[in-house]
Amino acid sequence: DAGVIQSPRHEVTEMGQEVTLRCKPISGHNSLFWYRQTMMRGLELLIYFNNNVPIDDSGMPEDRFSAKMPNASFSTLKIQPSEPRDSAVYFCASSSQAGAGNEQFFGPGTRLTVL
Amino acid sequence: DAKTTQPNSMESNEEEPVHLPCNHSTISGTDYIHWYRQLPSQGPEYVIHGLTSNVNNRMASLAIAEDRKSSTLILHRATLRDAAVYYCILRDVGRGGSADGLTFGKGTHLIIQP
Repeated sequence: DAGVIQSPRHEVTEMGQEVTLRCKPISGHNSLFWYRQTMMRGLELLIYFNNNVPIDDSGMPEDRFSAKMPNASFSTLKIQPSEPRDSAVYFCASSSQAGAGNEQFFGPGTRLTVL
Repeated sequence: DAKTTQPNSMESNEEEPVHLPCNHSTISGTDYIHWYRQLPSQGPEYVIHGLTSNVNNRMASLAIAEDRKSSTLILHRATLRDAAVYYCILRDVGRGGSADGLTFGKGTHLIIQP
């Protein structure tokens, strides 16, 4: 398996622009997670889905952030409009409820820079 | 989620064992102890997890105190590739089996000297 796939790997945009991050989970996994990592706040959970349904979005910082999972093999995290403080590395992870201890498999991340 | 406490950093020599401690005095009966690590410029990766008994896998061993208020991740023979930030995380998987997100602390920055 190719693991969790994220695109793009790097994104540089200007303040006010819309940004869309994409994630393809491991085939057969039915839980998907979006995290954000910054130097100041470390790794934070933004939102997670079980069976394509959003379960907890309490970590989403504000209404500018939205996430969707239209099917079991694809998810997006959108920021509109983007701001410089959104600059971070965004990780997507997936897991299978059938897996021992529900370990999560992380993608390589998308490094977002908002100028 | 129950809180974990880890040293900010530790240093060890290559090819020697490393013991990474974690305190979790408020752990509940349904909390599993998970360890993840994050290599430089990579996403976190799962290392090991346990509930009450000590656990071994190809990457590491996990020693859990009898009262479960602390645990130790053991790397038996550290290599330069083991230099990473190690996170000790408690996960309650008793809530209907749903897979909740992970709550990361600051972790321990492990430095390996050649």
